[in-house]
Formats: sequence, structure tokens, C-alpha cells
Amino acid sequence: NAGVTQTPKFQVLKTGQSMTLQCAQDMNHNSMYWYRQDPGMGLRLIYYSASEGTTDKGEVPNGYNVSRLNKREFSLRLESAAPSQTSVYFCATAGRYNSPLHFGNGTRLTVT
Amino acid sequence: DAKTTQPNSMESNEEEPVHLPCNHSTISGTDYIHWYRQLPSQGPEYVIHGLTSNVNNRMASLAIAEDRKSSTLILHRATLRDAAVYYCILNRASYDKVIFGPGTSLSVIP
Repeated sequence: NAGVTQTPKFQVLKTGQSMTLQCAQDMNHNSMYWYRQDPGMGLRLIYYSASEGTTDKGEVPNGYNVSRLNKREFSLRLESAAPSQTSVYFCATAGRYNSPLHFGNGTRLTVT
Repeated sequence: DAKTTQPNSMESNEEEPVHLPCNHSTISGTDYIHWYRQLPSQGPEYVIHGLTSNVNNRMASLAIAEDRKSSTLILHRATLRDAAVYYCILNRASYDKVIFGPGTSLSVIP
């Protein structure tokens, strides 16, 4: 029972490159979230998905796209990476409404 | 979105109780109060949550003001392992965005 799995754990990109961060959960949760955390800062919501087939913008969606491929998977895509997107990215899931969020271990992304 | 306000940082001596405050004056009737903590270099982990009544679990206690405009996370006996950033958030009783603030950085002094 892995919970919330994020891949890759680490990634270095050059400015302008693209990549997709993957998040998969085996908890049968409906809601999934993508957050970013800059050094010394709190978490900021990028996008979220309340259920399979739906996605909505969070606080800082610019420069990102998401796909809720099925109930298990929620991916985050950077089409043209910028140094300002250097951050740690966390995926989280939640079951029924108001239930706790469960976080993955994060993807540490550096854009040079 | 309803917001929460927490002190940036707090200190506690080891083995003493810690009271971490959170203000949420614009809370709505359907907002649950959740607390998470984030240890260094890890993802956040759930601590406790409640709606109106005080709550206890093995990690902590949550005291909610009668008007629900503030709450306090209580760690009964701080240990060095409790040094972390603690986040108080409001989780609406619907499938909605969940916003984190900057949290409170707790230092525990041996």
C-alpha cells in the first residue's frame, strides 16, 4: 500500500524544456491537488481536481497544465520551464469531503 | 476563500506543553479546521481536525473557540521531534480548493 507516489523525486531542467510530474494514489480518493513550495515558504496550490474528469485552477496556475487521467493519476505539466518554477512540488489526495489530505514525498525541481 | 492567521514562529522548551494559536475570523459554518505539520525535508502530515467541539488524538489536542473564529493546537509535552512548521487550514465541506498559509515554525529547545 504505497499511498501517494510522486515521480520523479529529483529533476533538473534547462530553461524552455518541458516535463511532466506524475502523481499516483492507491487510496481510492476522489480529490487530488498539486502544490509548490519555495524555499522557506508555505505551500501554494497550483491546480486541483475534485473528481475524475474535472480540474480547477488554484492560487498559482500560470505556466502549468494538469491532467486527471483517471481516478488514480493526476499529472502536472510544465510546457516551457522557467527558473521561477524551481521549487519542491507536492501532490496530495483527499477522500470524502473534509477528510485529511495525504501528501506524497515531493519532487524537487531545479530549472537552470 | 477563508483565510487563517498564525504567528510566524514560536519556541518551546522540551517536555513542556505548547499552544499554537490560529485565527480564522471569516470561517463559515461548513469549514472544518485542519492542522498539519511539516518536518524538515518532508511532505506535510495530518495532525488533527475538528468542526465545533474540542478534539483529542494521540498526537495532539484541538481546542476550538465557541464562536469558531480561533483555535489552538495543543502539544501536551513537546519533544525535539515536534520541531516543525505547523499549518492551520480551513477545509470546506465540499470538494474545493484547500489553501495553506505560511504556518508557524516551532522550535523546541532541549
